[in-house]
Amino acid sequence: AQTVTQSQPEMSVQEAETVTLSCTYDTSESDYYLFWYKQPPSRQMILVIRQEAYKQQNATENRFSVNFQKAAKSFSLKISDSQLGDAAMYFCAYRSAWVGGGSNYKLTFGKGTLLTVNP
Amino acid sequence: EPEVTQTPSHQVTQMGQEVILRCVPISNHLYFYWYRQILGQKVEFLVSFYNNEISEKSEIFDDQFSVERPDGSNFTLKIRSTKLEDSAMYFCASKPTGSLRYEQYFGPGTRLTVT
Repeated sequence: AQTVTQSQPEMSVQEAETVTLSCTYDTSESDYYLFWYKQPPSRQMILVIRQEAYKQQNATENRFSVNFQKAAKSFSLKISDSQLGDAAMYFCAYRSAWVGGGSNYKLTFGKGTLLTVNP
Repeated sequence: EPEVTQTPSHQVTQMGQEVILRCVPISNHLYFYWYRQILGQKVEFLVSFYNNEISEKSEIFDDQFSVERPDGSNFTLKIRSTKLEDSAMYFCASKPTGSLRYEQYFGPGTRLTVT
């Protein structure tokens, strides 16, 4: 079974600064997807960024980028120019690329990192 | 932009009562999920549903739980006899096929409080 570990329960950053959230995972699979989800106080789960394991290039979405190290099974999220609206719980998640019968695609989540943005 | 909706947003029930949590997935999606998040803990997979049947369920999803897609638009989670430890946020998610096949879209969640 796959596991996802987020070793930083809480992080804080000054507005306009850069912060990196860590995530490691364990899997025996060679092909999979990794995600970062944001959960603001409203509790809605919002997809921030995704990475396909077969792609060597790190994904980028505006101020959000990842550092994907497949050999190390590491998937960190970098938030540049942090804004007050970035304050939220951030979850790293894993999904297998291959699912038997094409009928699952469940996500396995880490415990989350609570990000505080200080003005 | 289409979105997953869930009702109610908050449900309070007494221990031993049955509850039904409702979800309306995005209309052209074919894969449906329920996840649970106990306060302060990680989001946990409960069950996945495809082609009108359960495709996988976790250890949490015991005989007290059931899912149904009664009318082609709603997707429900029923807890037959609630326990205090069922208090949690329940998220519904749906997933399309095609080029975006890897992305799940989450609803806003239903907060279930069992007293």
